[in-house]
Amino acid sequence: GAGVSQSPSNKVTEKGKDVELRCDPISGHTALYWYRQSLGQGLEFLIYFQGNSAPDKSGLPSDRFSAERTGGSVSTLTIQRTQQEDSAVYLCASSPKTVPNTEAFFGQGTRLTVV
Amino acid sequence: AQTVTQSQPEMSVQEAETVTLSCTYDTSENNYYLFWYKQPPSRQMILVIRQEAYKQQNATENRFSVNFQKAAKSFSLKISDSQLGDTAMYFCAFMIPNQGGKLIFGQGTELSVKP
Repeated sequence: GAGVSQSPSNKVTEKGKDVELRCDPISGHTALYWYRQSLGQGLEFLIYFQGNSAPDKSGLPSDRFSAERTGGSVSTLTIQRTQQEDSAVYLCASSPKTVPNTEAFFGQGTRLTVV
Repeated sequence: AQTVTQSQPEMSVQEAETVTLSCTYDTSENNYYLFWYKQPPSRQMILVIRQEAYKQQNATENRFSVNFQKAAKSFSLKISDSQLGDTAMYFCAFMIPNQGGKLIFGQGTELSVKP
């Protein structure tokens, strides 16, 4: 596609349920990032993929959060047993990782609301 | 630890006037990149301007320019001839290339351009 695509755009879930958020990066982009933006806050790094491997998972807030990437393309962020504090916008970005190109292209995010 | 601080949660400016958004950062690295991103209500992060730390010349993109003071670890954004479409959240961000390209963001400044 022309840009980074995220689905769903909005998700409302009940506390305790599992959710999956999807990111389709720009074709050919080898690097993929997930960020979380809580209400009124800046973006918080969650995890980084280079191809299918995740060299940096340091931002995942708890073991309820996991992510995978398959075929060097689509990525899924899974949150198990959701809590109200998980409510946020989850943004995905991709980058071609071609030096010196360092620009990351962002999707429009998934707004997750846990009720 | 690397941090980015934006000390102005909200700012407003009259259309056609100039406004400066402040950003300071903290790092012990010598090679890094600095960015300003714009986030309109659509949630999609849009790159406004980028500065490589090894370049002394301040970056400029049309009406947007930066004042990069490496010793002071300051990276302010100047918007000239402000337009109504500039109304958005603005985030300052920092990236170290050998750490996978993840972005460290400030808390953001909400800019309102008034007619």
